[in-house]
Amino acid sequence: QSVLTQPPSVSAAPGQKVTISCSGSNSNIGSNYVSWYQQLPGTAPKLLIYENNKRPSGIPDRFSGSKSGTSATLGITGLQTGDEADYYCGTWDSSLSAVFGTGTKVTVL
Amino acid sequence: QVQLVESGGGVVQPGRSLRLSCATSGFTFSNYAIYWVRQAPGKGLEWVAVISYDGNNKYHADSVKGRFTISRDNSKNTLYLQMNSLRAEDTAMYHCVRAGGPHYYYYMDVWGKGTTVTVS
Repeated sequence: QSVLTQPPSVSAAPGQKVTISCSGSNSNIGSNYVSWYQQLPGTAPKLLIYENNKRPSGIPDRFSGSKSGTSATLGITGLQTGDEADYYCGTWDSSLSAVFGTGTKVTVL
Repeated sequence: QVQLVESGGGVVQPGRSLRLSCATSGFTFSNYAIYWVRQAPGKGLEWVAVISYDGNNKYHADSVKGRFTISRDNSKNTLYLQMNSLRAEDTAMYHCVRAGGPHYYYYMDVWGKGTTVTVS
């Protein structure tokens, strides 16, 4: 059902950097803002990035977002054990529906 | 602080109905669009429906269209999801989510903890 494609998992050692890709099409990412959500184990998702690259208050600048064409990327630098979570991209689609990515599990080695 | 608290979930037989509610506080409810998003056990996020700040624009996912209806009562600061003809595949945690602004296409800003619906 997910319209946006993400890698199932990424991993890195503490302090390192990871990037998560989100691939869509002209009808969604190509023509709308992208947001990113973090879901820690057993909790509700939380907004991490909105309008491609903006961080809500309280989100550290270790998290960054970017968009190019029909793809978007979430970057996490200075990886911490507390960053272990599932991450989802999301956007609006011209079919008048909200769409999410398939989700990526981040593991800190 | 901004709060969204879902209720109304439970165990229901296939084909029956259920109405979820989302009570909100800490913000001007009538200024924001609101989403319902669900997550089946062990699965990813799935958008269910969204309603604009004034209730004039409503959109539903194809998977629930014709069976679920989103609505709001701005006088009670409350969002609803009427779910009819429930199926096993509707089993999920249902989250009420405030949008980042008044319109249906805004990002999902603040999430409620969710209420569990089990169709069995």
